[in-house]
Amino acid sequence: GAGVSQSPSNKVTEKGKDVELRCDPISGHTALYWYRQSLGQGLEFLIYFQGNSAPDKSGLPSDRFSAERTGGSVSTLTIQRTQQEDSAVYLCASSLGLAGTDTQYFGPGTRLTVL
Amino acid sequence: AQKVTQAQTEISVVEKEDVTLDCVYETRDTTYYLFWYKQPPSGELVFLIRRNSFDEQNEISGRYSWNFQKSTSSFNFTITASQVVDSAVYFCALSDYGGATNKLIFGTGTLLAVQP
Repeated sequence: GAGVSQSPSNKVTEKGKDVELRCDPISGHTALYWYRQSLGQGLEFLIYFQGNSAPDKSGLPSDRFSAERTGGSVSTLTIQRTQQEDSAVYLCASSLGLAGTDTQYFGPGTRLTVL
Repeated sequence: AQKVTQAQTEISVVEKEDVTLDCVYETRDTTYYLFWYKQPPSGELVFLIRRNSFDEQNEISGRYSWNFQKSTSSFNFTITASQVVDSAVYFCALSDYGGATNKLIFGTGTLLAVQP
């Protein structure tokens, strides 16, 4: 079946602009995660959704970052007023939503470059 | 706090050599899960294995094997008879079972280069 998909695959933007990154999880997966991969910080957790609610937003680095999920499916990560330090690969993962036993399956990522 | 350490930043081997990637973790949880993911040059993280804290049996899958030892908090990964296609960054990860989520805490990764 189809895996996790993300769009766009690449995004180049100017400092100060807003960007939206999209994630389509595997069908039937109720849990959805956003991670960020950068050279300096490695792979870091951003936010977790169970259904449409986000019980864990502890990894969002600032209030410029927000995310939502609608219909228990697609999720959008929004970064407002982008800064150069936001440049990274943003990875989305989904899982069945069984706490503690889940395997997270990752999408191909969106490479964000802030000029 | 949970932490995963992959001390080997880069390993280079010649094809057909065996190679072991080390992973050491820290957690206060009694129930937790450990994972290995592969990230080839294409960039997508590929799931390899999940192991729960109650199961210390070693696992073998083809050329891959994993050694989980709670006594040393290690979950090492061995590739037997390495191949060029094994070249990738390998990440070890720990699931945060004790919190509200099972977010993954990743190590910094080991870049494996298999030379022909």
